[in-house]
Amino acid sequence: EDKVVQSPLSLVVHEGDTVTLNCSYEVTNFRSLLWYKQEKKAPTFLFMLTSSGIEKKSGRLSSILDKKELFSILNITATQTGDSAVYLCAVGTSMNYGGSQGNLIFGKGTKLSVKP
Amino acid sequence: GAGVSQSPSNKVTEKGKDVELRCDPISGHTALYWYRQSLGQGLEFLIYFQGNSAPDKSGLPSDRFSAERTGGSVSTLTIQRTQQEDSAVYLCASSLWATNTEAFFGQGTRLTVV
Repeated sequence: EDKVVQSPLSLVVHEGDTVTLNCSYEVTNFRSLLWYKQEKKAPTFLFMLTSSGIEKKSGRLSSILDKKELFSILNITATQTGDSAVYLCAVGTSMNYGGSQGNLIFGKGTKLSVKP
Repeated sequence: GAGVSQSPSNKVTEKGKDVELRCDPISGHTALYWYRQSLGQGLEFLIYFQGNSAPDKSGLPSDRFSAERTGGSVSTLTIQRTQQEDSAVYLCASSLWATNTEAFFGQGTRLTVV
């Protein structure tokens, strides 16, 4: 059964700290790994990763994928209270190689709380 | 449209009634997903549409749940004979093509069954 596991489940830090969120996966026919930030209802897209070792960066956030060890990390440097949210990792799969059928499987998320 | 649009944003219904939730994906997006999120829980996959292919219905929790996508665009999720455990936020997402392109979410429909 395909699965995505995120750790830690929750994390409390102070402003200015650097955090690393983890996402490991076991899926057949991997296609992509995506990170989202969810504050209220709708998850907002952060990054999509398809290749190992290539860092994606946006401001204080960065992410990298290791397809050999089957995990990804999301780093947030110099955290701010506005970074408080649930961070979701999702893995895109296909039912067969190159096929159009598949799924986006989500982990349970990491709840990040940044204290002033 | 500019983003994924869902309606209604909130729905309160009596136990046993049927409800319909609507999702308007981003124009040109061929892939459409429905998820359910109960309070404090992760996203539970319900159904996935990709172009004209048969949908992946493997996540629908019971035969009271069904979804269709007309003309490859708008999708409707129908829950028949609602029960209290159906209360959740129902999220729709669309992506340009399949699962190797970014998926963008709508604001969701908060369903409360009383």
